[in-house]
Amino acid sequence: GQQLNQSPQSMFIQEGEDVSMNCTSSSIFNTWLWYKQDPGEGPVLLIALYKAGELTSNGRLTAQFGITRKDSFLNISASIPSDVGIYFCAGQRGSNYKLTFGKGTLLTVNP
Amino acid sequence: NAGVTQTPKFQVLKTGQSMTLQCAQDMNHNSMYWYRQDPGMGLRLIYYSASEGTTDKGEVPNGYNVSRLNKREFSLRLESAAPSQTSVYFCASSEEAVGWVSGTQYFGPGTRLLVL
Repeated sequence: GQQLNQSPQSMFIQEGEDVSMNCTSSSIFNTWLWYKQDPGEGPVLLIALYKAGELTSNGRLTAQFGITRKDSFLNISASIPSDVGIYFCAGQRGSNYKLTFGKGTLLTVNP
Repeated sequence: NAGVTQTPKFQVLKTGQSMTLQCAQDMNHNSMYWYRQDPGMGLRLIYYSASEGTTDKGEVPNGYNVSRLNKREFSLRLESAAPSQTSVYFCASSEEAVGWVSGTQYFGPGTRLLVL
């Protein structure tokens, strides 16, 4: 099946630092999504991207839909302790309802 | 609105036992999904229902059955549980697609299942 390669697998940073993570695929996606999962909870949508080249921000979060439609990036600026969690990218193709998820990036923020 | 709710939150089964995981959404969404999440594997789609009355297999359907009871409810059944089905199970529902733009999926809090 389709696979998304998400990196890095984990990150340990100091509060206040900026964070970058990305997802790549061998297949083209029409939609890229970024979710965050807190411990013991379900994933929550952070940002949705619908056009190649699109750059979208949500507070301190910025995500980009790669121009090739095969990758996406998520940046978090000035990290804070509540940014801790697992971040997942997900891609969707055409009108197919199925999401393909990356394996996640575990973010730890040291106060 | 409660969004997507799942019951139970936790369950321990013995190998060979059966159980049904319940999911309900109050957002009037047509599409609903069941995923499993295993360490290092991300989320994998088990089954989905694009609309009331239809269900389709996802990536990992073996050992599971689903029922779309009505527009609100989508249940997942394990007929004969196996240790390999120990996982966290998430239900999700999504808004309508607009043209080729797929609807956003909203997730429930999950059911943690341990099969001994």
